Amino acid sequence: SYELIQPLSVSVALGQTATITCGGDNIGGKNVHWYQHKPGQAPVLVIYRDSSRPSGIPERFAGSNSGNTATLTISSAQAGDEADYYCQVWITSAVFGGGTKLTVL
Amino acid sequence: DVQLVESGGGLVQPGGSLRLSCEASLFSVSSNSMNWVRQAPGKGLEWVSIIYRGGGTNYADSLMGRFIISRDNSKNTVYLQMDSLRVDDTAVYFCAGGPAGPNWFDPWGRGTLVIVSS
Repeated sequence: SYELIQPLSVSVALGQTATITCGGDNIGGKNVHWYQHKPGQAPVLVIYRDSSRPSGIPERFAGSNSGNTATLTISSAQAGDEADYYCQVWITSAVFGGGTKLTVL
Repeated sequence: DVQLVESGGGLVQPGGSLRLSCEASLFSVSSNSMNWVRQAPGKGLEWVSIIYRGGGTNYADSLMGRFIISRDNSKNTVYLQMDSLRVDDTAVYFCAGGPAGPNWFDPWGRGTLVIVSS
């Protein structure tokens, strides 16, 4: 079965840039979507189709995808960005990465 | 605002059944794909099932035919019938919409907690 590998945790200083990776076999050939999930809340789509932003998502959130790695980049990180982040693709079913906990220091 | 509201969670014994509901506001369950995604305690997100705009369905292989997704267009509501529940089905179950076809999930509900325990 297809696996998506994410780092368990990423830390970033306030105002700096956070990078969260999502590794998968030839993931560059697939559409990758990213979600932000805060405890007790509904998950939120922050990036779809590798690099598109839904309305209402700040330009600070950006995505890229090539080769075996997709990347979510959060620039000018804010305290409110602290959350778990998940990548997702469709194979014959939806597959999520294990999630990355982002800490803003 | 667009809203998905899940209900029907609770405590059930192993082997029991439960039906979850997801009522949509300002979002048509018949014009979009609708999904169930779950999160076990301390774990990540796991996709469970999809019902497509055309009515076709698909399920995670791990469920082994124990769950059934359906919808009532007149109530703008999606359901998840869960039978033969196991302890490892314990999770928060989220309802999530999406564009027609297998794509991304947006919007999401806040989830309903299912606990399977004796």
